[in-house]
Amino acid sequence: QKEVEQDPGPLSVPEGAIVSLNCTYSNSAFQYFMWYRQYSRKGPELLMYTYSSGNKEDGRFTAQVDKSSKYISLFIRDSQPSDSATYLCAMSAYNNNDMRFGAGTRLTVKP
Amino acid sequence: DVKVTQSSRYLVKRTGEKVFLECVQDMDHENMFWYRQDPGLGLRLIYFSYDVKMKEKGDIPEGYSVSREKKERFSLILESASTNQTSMYLCASSSSGNPNEQFFGPGTRLTVL
Repeated sequence: QKEVEQDPGPLSVPEGAIVSLNCTYSNSAFQYFMWYRQYSRKGPELLMYTYSSGNKEDGRFTAQVDKSSKYISLFIRDSQPSDSATYLCAMSAYNNNDMRFGAGTRLTVKP
Repeated sequence: DVKVTQSSRYLVKRTGEKVFLECVQDMDHENMFWYRQDPGLGLRLIYFSYDVKMKEKGDIPEGYSVSREKKERFSLILESASTNQTSMYLCASSSSGNPNEQFFGPGTRLTVL
């Protein structure tokens, strides 16, 4: 079993839809949770960074962590074609150099 | 604008060749990383460095070595390239104060024939 599981998709939604991206994990020690966005032919860029459980909102993006279920989510409201990218979850037990990445979910938002 | 740059976007090499991938960051970051990215497997850490001349093995170091002679530069070396090293290679850097916030380069697509 992989430490971090992420459905690779692909996921295709119409413009304006609410998108839900998810990851599950097995290591209960994880307490730092990140979402990276990767456009085609580019490197990943950090989108959201949360610590422990709870929600964090940034504009149209909301990151949610449920440590009891070992489940994290990224919600995108009013999705735009410019949101089309691969979204990778990442997590670590400590704020150190040991991060574990999901495989990434490829999202397409159609105009 | 902060930047991580990688020496090549695309590289084609033959089996057995020695391959050098270079990465430069301009953010004065202490930490630098080399990952490979393969479909369905996500990013896997090859090596990282937390200081000049210091290095630590990641999850898949076999067949690779690294060099960090200057703070801003981190090189990945494939001593004898093999076809199973065909992949996307991503370099990243982060500060010692916030190591989880990694900044990535654009990647090098390496094909070994």
